[in-house]
Amino acid sequence: QVQLQESGPGLVKPSQTLSLTCSVSGGAIHNDGQYLTWIRQRPGQGLEWIGHVYYDGYTDRHPSLKSRLTISIDRSQNQFSLRLSSVTAADTAVYYCAREKTTSSGLRGMDVWGQGTTVTVSS
Amino acid sequence: DVVMTQSPLSLSVTPGEPASISCRSSQSLLYRNGKNYLDWYVQKPGQSPQLLIYLGSNRASGVPDRFSGSGSDTDFTLKISRVEADDVGVYYCMQALETPRTFGQGTNVEIK
Repeated sequence: QVQLQESGPGLVKPSQTLSLTCSVSGGAIHNDGQYLTWIRQRPGQGLEWIGHVYYDGYTDRHPSLKSRLTISIDRSQNQFSLRLSSVTAADTAVYYCAREKTTSSGLRGMDVWGQGTTVTVSS
Repeated sequence: DVVMTQSPLSLSVTPGEPASISCRSSQSLLYRNGKNYLDWYVQKPGQSPQLLIYLGSNRASGVPDRFSGSGSDTDFTLKISRVEADDVGVYYCMQALETPRTFGQGTNVEIK
């Protein structure tokens, strides 16, 4: 079965770029029928959808982050990535990667999640 | 963006008793295929969120039948027929009709 694992630095300085990777195991990343998604949770807050990438590289990003956010897919490494530039303390959060499954009969929810990685923005 | 509003925000339930969480969306989640693009997730303490219900009323794999989702258009409900101690956590609804996906504020379920 598909498993996801986030990785990246736990501490990023303000104004720098946050880079995270989600490694996919147990399944090919290039399969259609899945949106590879990033979600974050600020301390003590709810869930915030950041964006997703489809197997063909098509991306959708949260409008509030669009100017700073890049989501990409690396089929050779079976992973997808997030890059968020010009970070501030407001970007401190637990970042999750997830798989949102889609079929011909509709979306099937985010059925696989990574364990989450904590990113702190501080000097 | 579609605004998702949950109620109540906190719920204390006696084991064995039922529980119900309401979720309302600022616009219809009914797609032209007749399906409602509304999911339910639970985040248990210290864990990642996990999928409970997709497309309004379909239980995800491995989810006990104590959990059920209902509703259509803009009004949805998650019901737990008999709450167990393991059901403690924060429950979120999420609209999957459009991007950005948006979540409700979360409902914190505790056990009495």
